[in-house]
Amino acid sequence: GQQLNQSPQSMFIQEGEDVSMNCTSSSIFNTWLWYKQEPGEGPVLLIALYKAGELTSNGRLTAQFGITRKDSFLNISASIPSDVGIYFCAGGGSNYKLTFGKGTLLTVNP
Amino acid sequence: DTAVSQTPKYLVTQMGNDKSIKCEQNLGHDTMYWYKQDSKKFLKIMFSYNNKELIINETVPNRFSPKSPDKAHLNLHINSLELGDSAVYFCASSQVVGTEAFFGQGTRLTVV
Repeated sequence: GQQLNQSPQSMFIQEGEDVSMNCTSSSIFNTWLWYKQEPGEGPVLLIALYKAGELTSNGRLTAQFGITRKDSFLNISASIPSDVGIYFCAGGGSNYKLTFGKGTLLTVNP
Repeated sequence: DTAVSQTPKYLVTQMGNDKSIKCEQNLGHDTMYWYKQDSKKFLKIMFSYNNKELIINETVPNRFSPKSPDKAHLNLHINSLELGDSAVYFCASSQVVGTEAFFGQGTRLTVV
């Protein structure tokens, strides 16, 4: 089946630093989504991407749909303590399923 | 106001019992899902329903039986619970299959 490789697995950064994480796959996806999950909560959708090459921002977050349709990245600028959580990428393919990456655990030190 | 709500939030039960988790969405979406999140936080789809019809059934033991009485509800019944069933179960919904999914808060199931 389709698999996503998400990296890094975890990040420890200082408040104010920029963050970058990415997902790659050997399969083509029609949709790339980025979610954030906080403890005790469900994943919350941050950004949705639908076209190859698309670059979309949501506040301090920016994500891109790779031109090959096999990858996507998420950048967070000027991190703050409330950015802490697990970030998941998800790819939507022709099989009507969302395949999730294994997550990037982000810790921000004030 | 909650878009996707599931109950209960916590469920502790003994091995061998049968339990149900309920889910409701008020977003008017046509598709609903059940996901399982294991202790390593990996999210894996279990089932997907579109307009009350089962469209995705991953390799899930047949002890797990989803039921969708209408488009706004998708319940999950689990028979003969096992220790390995302990996980967080998430309900989600989307307007179109395989696109932006909105998740509930999760049900933490602990089998003892």
